[in-house]
Amino acid sequence: GDSVTQMEGPVTLSEEAFLTINCTYTATGYPSLFWYVQYPGEGLQLLLKATKADDKGSNKGFEATYRKETTSFHLEKGSVQVSDSAVYFCALSPQAGYKLSFGAGTTVTVRA
Amino acid sequence: GAVVSQHPSWVICKSGTSVKIECRSLDFQATTMFWYRQFPKQSLMLMATSNEGSKATYEQGVEKDKFLINHASLTLSTLTVTSAHPEDSSFYICSAPIAGGLLSTDTQYFGPGTRLTVL
Repeated sequence: GDSVTQMEGPVTLSEEAFLTINCTYTATGYPSLFWYVQYPGEGLQLLLKATKADDKGSNKGFEATYRKETTSFHLEKGSVQVSDSAVYFCALSPQAGYKLSFGAGTTVTVRA
Repeated sequence: GAVVSQHPSWVICKSGTSVKIECRSLDFQATTMFWYRQFPKQSLMLMATSNEGSKATYEQGVEKDKFLINHASLTLSTLTVTSAHPEDSSFYICSAPIAGGLLSTDTQYFGPGTRLTVL
């Protein structure tokens, strides 16, 4: 079945450091890929998404590229801020609007 | 953007009682909604798919008689935890997908979650 493997945390960084969170997936066909973020005490928010190979999703300085050849969707940000401290979830959906399979989540803490 | 609300945001109940959690799509219609459970510092586990006008589809290992789901309208799904026990304490989250339309395409929007504590 479909699955998502995500880099385990926790990850602790200093402000302005470079952040990478690895995510690989197993799925049949052409799934849509997502990154969701959960800030402390809040619900999940969509951070970015990509629906086909070589698409790049971007938002709030974060980027991720849908790589079908490596079945990956790694999340990157060039210069993190304290406000980026959150739990990040990689997820896939086998087709439009259908149920998501989530990775385990990566806790990121950014220190001033 | 699309908004999904949940009520209540937190609830404390005694063991053996039942608790109902509501999930509403506020500015769009959702024929399908999903219910997840999240344990502390863990990922979301899909419990069931709620279908408007028909029975919910439960994931393997989820007791349908314990977690009753009713999708009575295109904007409301409810999850009732029956005869709750301390091990049912968790964070329950609903989501609703939007396929196409003005707001977004092929994206699920999540409610803020409901924290259930069973004493």
